[in-house]
Amino acid sequence: EVQLLESGGGLVEPGGSLRLSCAASGLTFSNHVLSWVRQAPGTGQQWVSSITGSGGSTYYADSVKGRFTISRDNSRNTLYLQMNSLRAEDTAIYYCAKRRTAGQSAFDYWGQGTLVTVSS
Amino acid sequence: DIVMTQSPESLAVSLGERATINCKSSQSVLYSSNNKNNLAWYQQKPGQPPKLLIYWASTRESGVPDRFSGSGSGTDFTLTISSLQAEDVAVYYCHQYYNSPNTFGQGTRLEIK
Repeated sequence: EVQLLESGGGLVEPGGSLRLSCAASGLTFSNHVLSWVRQAPGTGQQWVSSITGSGGSTYYADSVKGRFTISRDNSRNTLYLQMNSLRAEDTAIYYCAKRRTAGQSAFDYWGQGTLVTVSS
Repeated sequence: DIVMTQSPESLAVSLGERATINCKSSQSVLYSSNNKNNLAWYQQKPGQPPKLLIYWASTRESGVPDRFSGSGSGTDFTLTISSLQAEDVAVYYCHQYYNSPNTFGQGTRLEIK
């Protein structure tokens, strides 16, 4: 069974940095587009970023472009999100998610999430 | 960006009764090339990640009980729970994957009356 396990969240001051990781198992890692989706307290989900299976193409929401960097290590079956210049509005649970199929499709597997809190 | 608007914000239904949740997109999410609506529904319980229930607007994910069904096309969609069970208490979200950025509805909280 597919499992996604996020780590790396925590409390950081505005302007600070964090690196999130997502360890995957139960799938042929390099075959899948992976994404980060976040959920601020009491709100719905917001797509943040996606990366193709090879890592050759990356996509970002306008709200994080230039501050966040998505990457992957296919030899370690691990997805990353480097978050710089963090703002209070980045406070959220960050989920790693896999799409059902290549291209645009629903998210069929989600990790349990890791909480990022940006506050002084 | 496509705006997804759900209604109602919250809903209380008696056990065994029908629950209906609506989702409206600001533009059509119907792909003309394959005649499929790029719309999914998720269930989220407290402290858990979202769980995929429905994709292509009406296709039930494997393992999802058949009391859950999705309908609609273009810009107007509905998630129906035919006979509410206690374990269905959750927040439900719609999601359009027609284009980037993918966007989600704000959620509908379903409770027992």
